[in-house]
Amino acid sequence: DAKTTQPPSMDCAEGRAANLPCNHSTISGNEYVYWYRQIHSQGPQYIIHGLKNNETNEMASLIITEDRKSSTLILPHATLRDTAVYYCIVRVVGSRLTFGEGTQLTVNP
Amino acid sequence: DGGITQSPKYLFRKEGQNVTLSCEQNLNHDAMYWYRQDPGQGLRLIYYSQIVNDFQKGDIAEGYSVSREKKESFPLTVTSAQKNPTAFYLCASQEAAVTDTQYFGPGTRLTVL
Repeated sequence: DAKTTQPPSMDCAEGRAANLPCNHSTISGNEYVYWYRQIHSQGPQYIIHGLKNNETNEMASLIITEDRKSSTLILPHATLRDTAVYYCIVRVVGSRLTFGEGTQLTVNP
Repeated sequence: DGGITQSPKYLFRKEGQNVTLSCEQNLNHDAMYWYRQDPGQGLRLIYYSQIVNDFQKGDIAEGYSVSREKKESFPLTVTSAQKNPTAFYLCASQEAAVTDTQYFGPGTRLTVL
């Protein structure tokens, strides 16, 4: 599976959009981009995934660049409860999830 | 109410004792996983099972054992051979669909004294 690179930490003001970047320059054509998040001392929570088209659900939007070498997770109106570690994972369907160190997002009041 | 349960949330054991962590799911998922997480780090795969009565080692299986006698249950035993057992243990199950998303339990924090 392709390796991902994420900033170790980011801050965001409550009510503003949080844009979390992920680089995956070695992604192959059959690899999906997944995002999970982990609130402190809880199990990770699935957020969203995509292959090449932009995706949106009730939690977030996922923007994947045309060359698929990077993506951005967007939380449109961040709240204090969105403070968590966000993991970007690239994988082929059926392969194992490999968690890196993710991005610690802190939403400030 | 569907989901994955892990019990207990906190567990304390003396060094040299084996301990079994529980993981139950009622999501009817075929695959189940055990991960370990150390402070400030990502998750590392211990064992996984894609079907009843079958399981495979993950990246850090030494000192651990599992069983998968029922579809809904995947207990993990931390043996005395595990040199650094104190950690946060997470169980997950996975739906057998095109994008096979994993769903995680709340975790068990094991402290060996």
